[in-house]
Amino acid sequence: SQTIHQWPATLVQPVGSPLSLECTVEGTSNPNLYWYRQAAGRGLQLLFYSVGIGQISSEVPQNLSASRPQDRQFILSSKKLLLSDSGFYLCAWRPPGQNYEQYFGPGTRLTVT
Amino acid sequence: AQKITQTQPGMFVQEKEAVTLDCTYDTSDQSYGLFWYKQPSSGEMIFLIYQGSYDEQNATEGRYSLNFQKARKSANLVISASQLGDSAMYFCAMREFLTGANNLFFGTGTRLTVIP
Repeated sequence: SQTIHQWPATLVQPVGSPLSLECTVEGTSNPNLYWYRQAAGRGLQLLFYSVGIGQISSEVPQNLSASRPQDRQFILSSKKLLLSDSGFYLCAWRPPGQNYEQYFGPGTRLTVT
Repeated sequence: AQKITQTQPGMFVQEKEAVTLDCTYDTSDQSYGLFWYKQPSSGEMIFLIYQGSYDEQNATEGRYSLNFQKARKSANLVISASQLGDSAMYFCAMREFLTGANNLFFGTGTRLTVIP
């Protein structure tokens, strides 16, 4: 069966520090991968998605970036965090070519102080 | 314009009763999918139910059913026989298959509280 992992689960970082959040998927090949951010009390906003290694599409301009160094690994990064980057970050995957649901990871709660 | 609108920030329901969570959507695509997710306090998004725009029957999954009214562009979630564990945030979402096929548009959610 397929599983999706995210780490760390929680993170407190000062403004201006770098960020690296990791997401890995097991039990599938060539998944579509997604990074979402959820601000407190809000719905999810798509940040990045990837349909293959090295292929990243950005939905929202910001100081974040994403990379996919391996088929089942998706990394969200920032060189300098802003206070507004605080939120709950969710990684998701979907089988390629399938129009059905995305499966979400457990999330990372980021607090920028 | 908002793609997904959930007008109920919070709802209360008595245990064992049924509850309907509202969702309306806006799209010009003929082919799209509608999803409901549950987010408990742990934060994980749990997929509940899916309805395709060409599906003639309303989707059902156990105690969850989707009341799909295409002409009204509504996709309400009905939870029957509510349980205490149903207390959570519920999000309606849509994917447009012909345009923006890689994006799920989410509503702002409804917080459901089940009262014992």
